[in-house]
Amino acid sequence: DADVTQTPRNRITKTGKRIMLECSQTKGHDRMYWYRQDPGLGLRLIYYSFDVKDINKGEISDGYSVSRQAQAKFSLSLESAIPNQTALYFCATSDYRGIGPGELFFGEGSRLTVL
Amino acid sequence: AQRVTQPEKLLSVFKGAPVELKCNYSYSGSPELFWYVQYSRQRLQLLLRHISRESIKGFTADLNKGETSFHLKKPFAQEEDSAMYYCALHNAGNMLTFGGGTRLMVKP
Repeated sequence: DADVTQTPRNRITKTGKRIMLECSQTKGHDRMYWYRQDPGLGLRLIYYSFDVKDINKGEISDGYSVSRQAQAKFSLSLESAIPNQTALYFCATSDYRGIGPGELFFGEGSRLTVL
Repeated sequence: AQRVTQPEKLLSVFKGAPVELKCNYSYSGSPELFWYVQYSRQRLQLLLRHISRESIKGFTADLNKGETSFHLKKPFAQEEDSAMYYCALHNAGNMLTFGGGTRLMVKP
């Protein structure tokens, strides 16, 4: 079944450590996104990629970086984790067809705790 | 700048009661609005989009440009409707801006 898979699902780390969250998809979609979810704040866009060579910052990209290794893979890195990056992170793909944003298909989320 | 506001963080109703989850937006262009839902232990998924003018699982949402609202309604709530609901606005950059979410609890 075509899917969006995130690893790891849970991670606890310490301040200053480098962390990578990985996302892979078998949906064949070009567009991929990383969102962060915090209670009461909803989902906020960190980075997005419309194809392998097109990567863009979202509304809260400071402290994060991304890599689009292939159409199917989009990784999010925290170069030096800090406690306020503790959150639930979602990867999503989009079935964009030229009109409108397309439907977003989400992974199960990666819960990151920074101590 | 675009913004989506869901004023209620939690909405609790009894089974069979009507439900209205509020969503207000601010956007200078022509809006495209969506509702996404996350049931317990499931992924966030699309519920409905205003452009389709559809009813999904008994839910409807009408875009009111005068009031800049896109409230989600259901005449008779069911226990299985309990979930987290997010309103989202599509902007000219082909991205979605999400509201803060409303948790709906339907009590038996």
